[in-house]
Amino acid sequence: DTAVSQTPKYLVTQMGNDKSIKCEQNLGHDTMYWYKQDSKKFLKIMFSYNNKELIINETVPNRFSPKSPDKAHLNLHINSLELGDSAVYFCASNLGQLQETQYFGPGTRLLVL
Amino acid sequence: QKEVEQDPGPLSVPEGAIVSLNCTYSNSAFQYFMWYRQYSRKGPELLMYTYSSGNKEDGRFTAQVDKSSKYISLFIRDSQPSDSATYLCAMSVYSGGGADGLTFGKGTHLIIQP
Repeated sequence: DTAVSQTPKYLVTQMGNDKSIKCEQNLGHDTMYWYKQDSKKFLKIMFSYNNKELIINETVPNRFSPKSPDKAHLNLHINSLELGDSAVYFCASNLGQLQETQYFGPGTRLLVL
Repeated sequence: QKEVEQDPGPLSVPEGAIVSLNCTYSNSAFQYFMWYRQYSRKGPELLMYTYSSGNKEDGRFTAQVDKSSKYISLFIRDSQPSDSATYLCAMSVYSGGGADGLTFGKGTHLIIQP
C-alpha cells in the first residue's frame, strides 16, 4: 500500500493552461504539505494544511491554490501556467507535531511548454 | 545567505569507503534535524532523525548534530553502490515540521563506485 500517492506522475502542458495535481495519504495524518523541487534539486515548502489552517509560503504566486476535499486529500491547482512552473511537485504528510517526520509522495513532474 | 547550505557534489567514492556528508545552517531556532535519501525520479525517504545536539547511529549510518557550530553531518560506513543517491539534509523548528514545513539543503549527489 502506498502511504502518500500523487497523480499524475507526469504532466506536460502548454503555457497559460490550468492544471491540477492530486495527493492522497492513507496514514491518517493531520497535516499535509506541497513542496516544489526545481531543476537544481532544491526542495522548498509551498503550503502546509491541517484541516483548520492553511499556511502559504510568501514566495508562492497566487496562481497556485491548494484545495482539500477531506483530511486524506490535498490537491494543488495551478492557473495560467508559466514556463518557470516546470518542476517536480511533492506532496508530504505527517501527524502534526506528534510525528517526527514527513512522508513524501513519489512526485509529479510538470513540464510547461 | 540561504538558511541551509549543502555542497551539491557530485561526491564520488569507491565501494567500502566511509562517506561524510555535511550541512551548515543559520537559523538557531532549528531543533529537529533529518537526513533524507532521494533516488532518481523518486520521492525523498527519511534516513535519520535527530533532536538537538548529539549523535545517532542506525546500522551503517551515523548522524551528528553540533548546534553550537550550526553544523550537521551524516556518515555512511562500508558504502555500497546501492547508496548512490542524492542526500538531503532537512531541519525544522517544530517536530514534524509544523506549519512551516521542513527546510532543506540543496542535496549532495553521492556516487559509490563498484
